[in-house]
Amino acid sequence: GQQVMQIPQYQHVQEGEDFTTYCNSSTTLSNIQWYKQRPGGHPVFLIQLVKSGEVKKQKRLTFQFGEAKKNSSLHITATQTTDVGTYFCAGRNDRGSTLGRLYFGRGTQLTVWP
Amino acid sequence: NAGVTQTPKFQVLKTGQSMTLQCAQDMNHEYMSWYRQDPGMGLRLIHYSVGAGITDQGEVPNGYNVSRSTTEDFPLRLLSAAPSQTSVYFCASSYYREGNSPLHFGNGTRLTVT
Repeated sequence: GQQVMQIPQYQHVQEGEDFTTYCNSSTTLSNIQWYKQRPGGHPVFLIQLVKSGEVKKQKRLTFQFGEAKKNSSLHITATQTTDVGTYFCAGRNDRGSTLGRLYFGRGTQLTVWP
Repeated sequence: NAGVTQTPKFQVLKTGQSMTLQCAQDMNHEYMSWYRQDPGMGLRLIHYSVGAGITDQGEVPNGYNVSRSTTEDFPLRLLSAAPSQTSVYFCASSYYREGNSPLHFGNGTRLTVT
């Protein structure tokens, strides 16, 4: 069945270091979305990637969608304490019986030490 | 805009009790879904709906029922609560017919079953 695997599960970095989280799907995705959840909060949408090989940037955050549309990554340059939280990827498969379902990775919990 | 409203925020149940978690959205979203979040397990899809009168099971549907009689509301029913259902529950909605629409999450319901 459809699975979205996300690694690492936890990441602890010193403020100023870079951070990357990776997602891999067992099947081709129509699009992939990224969310951030602050401690005690709810997931908040960050960005969506749709095209094969797409790269998008939001200030220090860089998002990539693989050529085969089966993998994606989020890279944060020079982390800050405000980056603390759990980052989730979520892929959508718009085919067959699972039409419309959004499959979430387990998330990467980022801790940033000042 | 209220967005996605979940009630209650907190609930304690005894094993065997029943209850309904309420979810309402005022954005005219076709797609609504329920997730549970447990430590280290990410967001797991319980049930989802792509429109009024249409529901389908997610990854972990056992022990939960849903219905979608209106576009706005998508309640989640626990018929006989079990300690394994202790979790944080999130309702989320999005446009669907537009294909690639981000999820809007409610603030969550923290449920404890003793």
